[in-house]
Amino acid sequence: DIVMTQTPLSLSVTPGQPASISCRSSQSLLYSNGYNYLDWYLQRPGQSPQLLIYLGSHRASGVPDRFSASDSGTDFTLTISRVEAEDVGVYYCIQALQTPYTFGQGTKLEIK
Amino acid sequence: QVHLVESGGGVVQPGRSLRLSCAASGFTFSIFGMHWVRQAPGKGLEWVAVMDNDGPNKYYGESVRGRFTISRDNSKNTLYLDMNNLRADDTAVYYCARSANRAPDQWGQGTLVTVSS
Repeated sequence: DIVMTQTPLSLSVTPGQPASISCRSSQSLLYSNGYNYLDWYLQRPGQSPQLLIYLGSHRASGVPDRFSASDSGTDFTLTISRVEAEDVGVYYCIQALQTPYTFGQGTKLEIK
Repeated sequence: QVHLVESGGGVVQPGRSLRLSCAASGFTFSIFGMHWVRQAPGKGLEWVAVMDNDGPNKYYGESVRGRFTISRDNSKNTLYLDMNNLRADDTAVYYCARSANRAPDQWGQGTLVTVSS
């Protein structure tokens, strides 16, 4: 199975400051079509997860442009350019290259 | 607007069975693959199963393989998860989710399954 490792597991950020979360896969997530099968989600407290980023670096519909992501086969980074209060919650990555699909452990973001 | 509503959760004894349902609306259900994902209390997300839009291809997480079965009825816009031989560590909120680019994109609100004697 592909193992997904997220770091850090928690971070505390001052509003208006940037934040970055890393997700590393135990093998490349690059498919023959040129896409990395890695998505990012935010689960706000008490809510279901919502899709932020798909195929490594593509922002989902309705997601603010302060969210961006980079991808490189096994190393993936989600960046929030200026954190806002509504960004609080747990962020997860998932690999969808091969079954069983696997999530990272989650990164809890809180506001200072 | 995509709408997914899970039902069928509850308290069940270890070793018993339970069927979850997910009613879909707001999109053409029959052309999308569908997932089940679960979340134990206070824990992270665990992928459970996926099936394609018309049924033949089904894949499972290792912890549920052989005990859980994913299925669907496209005429009723409904996804199912049949869970057999339930264990205490199956206790979780179970989410159904639509599949896009293989991964979940739209999620339901979840239904809680508690396995306890």
